[in-house]
Order: sequence, then structure tokens, then C-alpha cells
Amino acid sequence: DQQVKQNSPSLSVQEGRISILNCDYTNSMFDYFLWYKKYPAEGPTFLISISSIKDKNEDGRFTVFLNKSAKHLSLHIVPSQPGDSAVYFCAARGQGLTREMRFGAGTRLTVKP
Amino acid sequence: ETGVTQSPTHLIKTRGQQVTLRCSSQSGHNTVSWYQQALGQGPQFIFQYYREEENGRGNFPPRFSGLQFPNYSSELNVNALELDDSALYLCASSLGGDRDHNEQFFGPGTRLTVL
Repeated sequence: DQQVKQNSPSLSVQEGRISILNCDYTNSMFDYFLWYKKYPAEGPTFLISISSIKDKNEDGRFTVFLNKSAKHLSLHIVPSQPGDSAVYFCAARGQGLTREMRFGAGTRLTVKP
Repeated sequence: ETGVTQSPTHLIKTRGQQVTLRCSSQSGHNTVSWYQQALGQGPQFIFQYYREEENGRGNFPPRFSGLQFPNYSSELNVNALELDDSALYLCASSLGGDRDHNEQFFGPGTRLTVL
């Protein structure tokens, strides 16, 4: 069951422009949403998160927006830099004991110089 | 502070064999979660260990089992390997009991190929 979906497998943007990565979820019981970034041959690294009680969280060039009614979140990167080129995973955390995370399939972002 | 390490980095096995993957958690972390990432997909939760006890499991058969040791390092064991077990296996450590987002720190993974 795919409770977290990233429908765009890839995204290409020009350096300096905005990158917008999207994620949809189906389970309204998730309490935290996270974005991870993954470079080849490395594990995912945490980027930014948002609690389900908020609608926006900003950290430098990265902003995550949460629309609970639409069960949709997005990650905005502005301005985009070539070093941002990586695979981005959206994850949603359950409220159970394990805080189990459900991941989307990822979006490969390419930022062109 | 050392990060999460996993061994081996790559492994090739044949169907029916057994495999053990290892993970050393980040210093101070008492919780380890294991994930399977098949090609083109996101990581899928296998199970989690907290203070040496399994405290949650995803939709994986019993031939996937694990251990956590007193130093909080962990092993993932897979018996009777199948071709579909070919994947990147990721270990993530965290500090359990945190009511905040409980950030998990991932290791680089072990790439398992089953022939």
C-alpha cells in the first residue's frame, strides 16, 4: 500500500530558479512529514521536517508547505544550486511506538548550471 | 561523534542462502531501524529495535530477523534468500523516546544481490 507518493520521478531546473518537489499521502494519522536527500553511494540525510499541526516550515533556502485538507506537501528550494542535485524522498511518520516512516519513491532533482 | 556505519558495502549471494548484515549506530543512539530499498523505490520499513528488543515490524516475512546488542549495534538476518531480496538495505539510528520528529540518521547501506 503506497501511503506516500511522489508522482514525479525526475525534475530539472536551472541554477538560481526555484525547485518544487511534491508529495501526496493518504493516511491522515501521520504526525510528522520529513524530506530526505540522497546522493549516490550514501544513505539518505535529513533535510527538513514539518509537524502535522503546522502549514509551513522554513530553513534557509528550503521551505516545506503542508496542505492537510489536500493531503499534500511540497518542498521549495530557492535559489536552486547545482549541489542540490540529488534524489529527494518525502517521508511521513506514524504515531505508533516505532514512529515508523513511510517513504515515497523519490524525485531525482537535477540543477543545471 | 561517529556516524552510522554498515558492513559489508556489497554482497552477492545465491537463492536459498542466508545473509547477515551489520550496522553500528551513531554514538548515543539506542534505536535502530532497518529498511529495504528496491531499485526505483523508496525505503520500506522492515523492523525497529529499541534497547535490544524488537518494538515494531513492517510487512516482511519471518525469514527477515534481527538483533540489537548491548552497545546498540544491530544485525539484519535474511534466511532462504529469494531473487526479490536484491536491494539496498539501510540502517538508521535514532534516540528513542523523543517526542519530537525523532530524526533518524542513515548509514550508507549494504547492496545485496541475489543470483
